Amino acid sequence: GESVGLHLPTLSVQEGDNSIINCAYSNSASDYFIWYKQESGKGPQFIIDIRSNMDKRQGQRVTVLLNKTVKHLSLQIAATQPGDSAVYFCAENLRNSGNTPLVFGKGTRLSVIA
Amino acid sequence: NAGVTQTPKFQVLKTGQSMTLQCAQDMNHNSMYWYRQDPGMGLRLIYYSASEGTTDKGEVPNGYNVSRLNKREFSLRLESAAPSQTSVYFCASSESGLDTQYFGPGTRLTVL
Repeated sequence: GESVGLHLPTLSVQEGDNSIINCAYSNSASDYFIWYKQESGKGPQFIIDIRSNMDKRQGQRVTVLLNKTVKHLSLQIAATQPGDSAVYFCAENLRNSGNTPLVFGKGTRLSVIA
Repeated sequence: NAGVTQTPKFQVLKTGQSMTLQCAQDMNHNSMYWYRQDPGMGLRLIYYSASEGTTDKGEVPNGYNVSRLNKREFSLRLESAAPSQTSVYFCASSESGLDTQYFGPGTRLTVL
């Protein structure tokens, strides 16, 4: 079946720089996307979401971009801090598919170099 | 407001033993989920409950059973634990199956 995937399994970024984490999805019918952050030893934590009728959504220091043409999702973290070190997952859902649960990608590990 | 809580946090079992992992949410969510996460891998759905009184299999249901006890609680049972079930188990809940899921802190299970 179709699934969510990621371009890079690991990413190292200097403290203070911006981070970009990418995600490719293959199901063109997906219309809701979520980014989660998972710190070591903890459960995934919701960061930001975006619906398919939007191209961009901003939160506090985070921006999610959605390019439906190439089925690509990215998470941008501004001024990356040591506390941003974690594994980041994207997830997708088909809002017209009834109660089908989210489909998660395998995750990208972000390491912040002080 | 505790969100999603899970017990126990850690558990060690011998092969063949049984146990139940407990999950509760206080957000009045309709849908609840059980995932397992193995090293270097993403989340794999075991079972979910779209609403009170219903349960459905996910990607990896073999060796597990679930009970949606009421709207707040969703338990996961291992009837005869196997080493392949060594993993971290996460419970999650959402308003509906179409919404953002909120996760508990996880249960780290080791089967010897």
